[in-house]
Amino acid sequence: QKEVEQNSGPLSVPEGAIASLNCTYSDRGSQSFFWYRQYSGKSPELIMFIYSNGDKEDGRFTAQLNKASQYVSLLIRDSQPSDSATYLCAADGFSSGSARQLTFGSGTQLTVLP
Amino acid sequence: KAGVTQTPRYLIKTRGQQVTLSCSPISGHRSVSWYQQTPGQGLQFLFEYFSETQRNKGNFPGRFSGRQFSNSRSEMNVSTLELGDSALYLCASSSSRIDEQFFGPGTRLTVL
Repeated sequence: QKEVEQNSGPLSVPEGAIASLNCTYSDRGSQSFFWYRQYSGKSPELIMFIYSNGDKEDGRFTAQLNKASQYVSLLIRDSQPSDSATYLCAADGFSSGSARQLTFGSGTQLTVLP
Repeated sequence: KAGVTQTPRYLIKTRGQQVTLSCSPISGHRSVSWYQQTPGQGLQFLFEYFSETQRNKGNFPGRFSGRQFSNSRSEMNVSTLELGDSALYLCASSSSRIDEQFFGPGTRLTVL
């Protein structure tokens, strides 16, 4: 059973602070990892994806991947109240020749306090 | 470029009925995946289609089925609806099997 684990939170940070969201995955065959943001009542919106070990930066967002530790994280710098949402981590399963199948974590609810 | 569209956006059905949901992917995208999202189970993979072929299926009963047409549009069908089928059904498209997926707005299904 492929699993993606996230701290469900809720996580609260003050405006302007760094929010750190973490995720672990069980399938060592997973090759790519995605972070989605989901506002209440809306569908998930892709923020970042990462394939290689290390850091990937896009504006205020940095995704980090450590395949040896099976760990993915998302850092949000200069957090804004508009960042308040549920953040979903997903791993793509291509192990054993499987076709595309995203396995999602349960999500971390982030609240940025003004 | 238009995003992923799903119809209808809201649906109310009663137990035992069947329902068909539709998804139009982003132009040029050939892979369409379907997910079910509930508060208790989160986002769960239903199936994925690429070039009219179902390539993968999640752990759902046979009441859940789907298909993809030559223009990449996809439909999913749920027969003999149960109360537990109430959920947000999301469709996501990507241009290939490794590219990132983009979600549509979802269809909110309520089974009474």
